[in-house]
Amino acid sequence: KNEVEQSPQNLTAQEGEFITINCSYSVGISALHWLQQHPGGGIVSLFMLSSGKKKHGRLIATINIQEKHSSLHITASHPRDSAVYICAVYGGATNKLIFGTGTLLAVQP
Amino acid sequence: DTAVSQTPKYLVTQMGNDKSIKCEQNLGHDTMYWYKQDSKKFLKIMFSYNNKELIINETVPNRFSPKSPDKAHLNLHINSLELGDSAVYFCASSQVPVGTQYFGPGTRLTVL
Repeated sequence: KNEVEQSPQNLTAQEGEFITINCSYSVGISALHWLQQHPGGGIVSLFMLSSGKKKHGRLIATINIQEKHSSLHITASHPRDSAVYICAVYGGATNKLIFGTGTLLAVQP
Repeated sequence: DTAVSQTPKYLVTQMGNDKSIKCEQNLGHDTMYWYKQDSKKFLKIMFSYNNKELIINETVPNRFSPKSPDKAHLNLHINSLELGDSAVYFCASSQVPVGTQYFGPGTRLTVL
């Protein structure tokens, strides 16, 4: 079992829908990253958070440290949001970045 | 003015060869990383350097040797390449060891 689990693994949405991707982790962490990997392969950090909630444009990330859970929300989804979204935590004995398996999101027009 | 750059972008080579991948960041960050993304798109850390010192060395074969000549560069040398080394290798950097990471574009290594 991975130390970082994401759900769903695959998600198809219609343009305009509200999207939620979930991340659960089993290790103690210092912080959590949400990353986006586009079909072209590049990886971009969307958020890094260790408590509460962060918002950037149509993206919102929340974390509940007690429940070891984080969510990434996309409001008013758009086809350009289609990508793999990866949750990663700074955790373990060396505080390394541990990755989830990713959520493949396809937003259809 | 790319923040984190890697060369080459693609690398095709024969089994048994030795190859290097170079990484440079112009963000003034202290910490740099190498990650491997396998065929199932799963990312895993290989190495991390902070101020040119190795701070994370995961269970990686000795054939992989990172070198950090200065804080802006972290190169990855791979000896005696094997088929299983085929993957995409990403370099990244952050200001501090637990900080927002900035990724390079990746190097797709194919071992034939």
